[in-house]
Amino acid sequence: DAMVIQNPRYQVTQFGKPVTLSCSQTLNHNVMYWYQQKSSQAPKLLFHYYDKDFNNEADTPDNFQSRRPNTSFCFLDIRSPGLGDAAMYLCATSVSLGEVGQPQHFGDGTRLSIL
Amino acid sequence: AQSVTQPDIHITVSEGASLELRCNYSYGATPYLFWYVQSPGQGLQLLLKYFSGDTLVQGIKGFEAEFKRSQSSFNLRKPSVHWSDAAEYFCAVGAGNSWGKFQFGAGTQVVVTP
Repeated sequence: DAMVIQNPRYQVTQFGKPVTLSCSQTLNHNVMYWYQQKSSQAPKLLFHYYDKDFNNEADTPDNFQSRRPNTSFCFLDIRSPGLGDAAMYLCATSVSLGEVGQPQHFGDGTRLSIL
Repeated sequence: AQSVTQPDIHITVSEGASLELRCNYSYGATPYLFWYVQSPGQGLQLLLKYFSGDTLVQGIKGFEAEFKRSQSSFNLRKPSVHWSDAAEYFCAVGAGNSWGKFQFGAGTQVVVTP
């Protein structure tokens, strides 16, 4: 089945130690998103890629970076994680063919803990 | 600016009873509306979507939603809930642009009692 896969499902890192979260998709969608979701809150968009074009949300901290080496893969890099960065990180994809209103397809997320 | 309001933070319902989750939106143009469900520790799963046409939309898992432009609402319903419906439900409105930014509501936590 075509899907969005996030690895690892659980990630533990130390305060200030860089960490990378991975997302891959077999849907061949041209848009990929990264969300941060804290407990009992709605997902918060960090940034998205439209093909190779990177688009950062205005309030996304500089500590968060992303890479998309090809259509299938997208990475979230947190350069110096702080305790406040502990959260679920969700990757999503959608197709944009000049039409609007396409649904986003989510992976199962990576739960990040900071020690 | 677009916005989505889910007035109910938490709903408790008995198994077999009906369920209705409220969603109100504010958007200047024709909205693209979605309902997602999130089980604990999982990602978001699309239940249904509304773009245009018939205002009563059928989704997966026995859910349906009705778009009411006059009330700016897109409420989700299920006639008879199952214990497996216990989850967090998010309403979202999609922006009318080519890359589809979503505005999510705050979510409604549904608890199902025996």
